[in-house]
Amino acid sequence: DAMVIQNPRYQVTQFGKPVTLSCSQTLNHNVMYWYQQKSSQAPKLLFHYYDKDFNNEADTPDNFQSRRPNTSFCFLDIRSPGLGDAAMYLCATSRDIRAGAQTQYFGPGTRLLVL
Amino acid sequence: DQQVKQNSPSLSVQEGRISILNCDYTNSMFDYFLWYKKYPAEGPTFLISISSIKDKNEDGRFTVFLNKSAKHLSLHIVPSQPGDSAVYFCAASNTGSTLGRLYFGRGTQLTVWP
Repeated sequence: DAMVIQNPRYQVTQFGKPVTLSCSQTLNHNVMYWYQQKSSQAPKLLFHYYDKDFNNEADTPDNFQSRRPNTSFCFLDIRSPGLGDAAMYLCATSRDIRAGAQTQYFGPGTRLLVL
Repeated sequence: DQQVKQNSPSLSVQEGRISILNCDYTNSMFDYFLWYKKYPAEGPTFLISISSIKDKNEDGRFTVFLNKSAKHLSLHIVPSQPGDSAVYFCAASNTGSTLGRLYFGRGTQLTVWP
């Protein structure tokens, strides 16, 4: 049973053309995260939502935005993708941010290619 | 600044033998540690975790050891199986933080050969 679902699995976009990646979860978790992962690197946290509270990492470019319209869904918007934004984008959830509930569960990822 | 380090990018082990994956961290505030396994074209899958109040946690073939004084943890897989071939990520967090952030290492590619 899929618990964290990401669509699409592969996304091709053109340089500068806005793109939206989606994530949904059936775990009813409070926290949803977006990570960017490039080859042979650690996943890099972009931002996360704790319920409706948005938390942006200090080094996340303004080009990246996120929306969480309800508990189940979270979107990653890349307003003007550059070649350097080609990566795997991972969505994850956790029950809470407090001790004992911080294990994160990941979706399969969306591989973004920028032409 | 990489707060979680996996210094071995790859490890090759024969089937049936023990695989030992290592991880070091620099932040003494970290008190919760996790290992994730990742197959190609898939997201990381949670494998096992350990709290800093313990020095060992076991789940089937997987055991994680924590040495707080050395800021070092390791994942032991016994016996190793070809299906264990994947990238293994070590992650750490400070459960006292309000952000619930995980810090990841770069991963170690484990290859288990028959």
